[in-house]
This record gives sequence, C-alpha cells and structure tokens, in this order.
Amino acid sequence: AAGVIQSPRHLIKEKRETATLKCYPIPRHDTVYWYQQGPGQDPQFLISFYEKMQSDKGSIPDRFSAQQFSDYHSELNMSSLELGDSALYFCASSLRQGRADTQYFGPGTRLTVL
Amino acid sequence: AQKITQTQPGMFVQEKEAVTLDCTYDTSDQSYGLFWYKQPSSGEMIFLIYQGSYDEQNATEGRYSLNFQKARKSANLVISASQLGDSAMYFCAMRPDSNYQLIWGAGTKLIIKP
Repeated sequence: AAGVIQSPRHLIKEKRETATLKCYPIPRHDTVYWYQQGPGQDPQFLISFYEKMQSDKGSIPDRFSAQQFSDYHSELNMSSLELGDSALYFCASSLRQGRADTQYFGPGTRLTVL
Repeated sequence: AQKITQTQPGMFVQEKEAVTLDCTYDTSDQSYGLFWYKQPSSGEMIFLIYQGSYDEQNATEGRYSLNFQKARKSANLVISASQLGDSAMYFCAMRPDSNYQLIWGAGTKLIIKP
C-alpha cells in the first residue's frame, strides 16, 4: 500500500538559511498535517490542511509557512532558521471523512541547523 | 482539559513475555478516538491500533490489543509474545471529535531483553 512520502529525508542548513520540506500524502487522503518532534519529545502539531485549505494551526512559528497544492502535495517553508529548529519533521495524512480519521505518518525529515 | 498521560517513562521486558503499556486520558468530549503509535530508534512513526469511544469491543491488530476501559478513561496497549523488534518508543494519542488534532502522551520507551 502507498505510504506518505517526504523529501528530503535529511537536511543540513546554516543559521538564517531557508529550508523547504515536501510531503506527498497517501492517494485519496483529504487532510495533511505537519509535526515537529524534538529529541525525546512527543510530536508537536504545526499546521494542517483539509482539501487544500488551511484547517488548523498549532505552534507554528511565524517564520514557517505551509501550503497544499492542487495535486494535494504539501510544502513546509522555513525561513531564518535557528539552532532550535533542529528536529524531526513529520508529515501525516488522513481521510477525515473516514471512520477513524487515522493519521499515517511519513518517514520524516531530519533537519539539522548548524 | 484534554490530556493523555503515560505514566511509564521506560520498561524492560523479557522476550516472549506479554507487556502492557498504560495510557489514561481526559476529555469532556463524548466521542473521540484513541490511537497507539510505535517509534523505533530509526525515527519513523508507525500506526498500530485504533479504538473509537463508542466501540463496544476492544480493538485487536495481530499481537496488539487495546484494553479499553471507558469508565476509567484508560486505553492500555497490550503486546503479546514480545519480540526484540518491539523495542521502541510507544505513544498513546487521542483525537476528540471536537478537534481534528491529535493530543499526545509523553511516550513509553520499551526495551525487550533477549
């Protein structure tokens, strides 16, 4: 079965640089979520999109923005990177109209800011 | 307040034994979903099992079962016949129907001893 695809898997950036993370949800899923997970922490919700419209907003810094495109893929844009942005970034997708609305996660992008 | 509590930061279990990971939750919603995810050291977040608040039977998925006690607001994960590959971080999460975001517990680190 198709899974969520994220690219790149690893990314190394310098402080104050920008980064773009990409996510391709499971086909026919209508909702995409972005999470940030620091070492030893649970995932922190950043933002979600339902049918290409922003749905919910969590603890996403103003330096970050995201969008979902017509083909349902999503991108998380991160600017003015800080050391504290080093983390594992997950994209997840779900079928909101499904019974469980289970979120299936991609493999994550490990971002290191030097 | 919506909250998930996992009281076991870490557990050591002998291979082939059964293990129970505790999860209690708090929500004022009448309808909600409960989820367990596994995160191995490689980092990916793997969906294991789902229980709906109105489901009368406990959910089972292969060696995983969810011991759902609604009155006690607990949703413990039971892994039967543990294997070395079960060593991972396990997260309990809840999605109240009033909110599409997952609420996460702090996780339990499970180590299976040979």
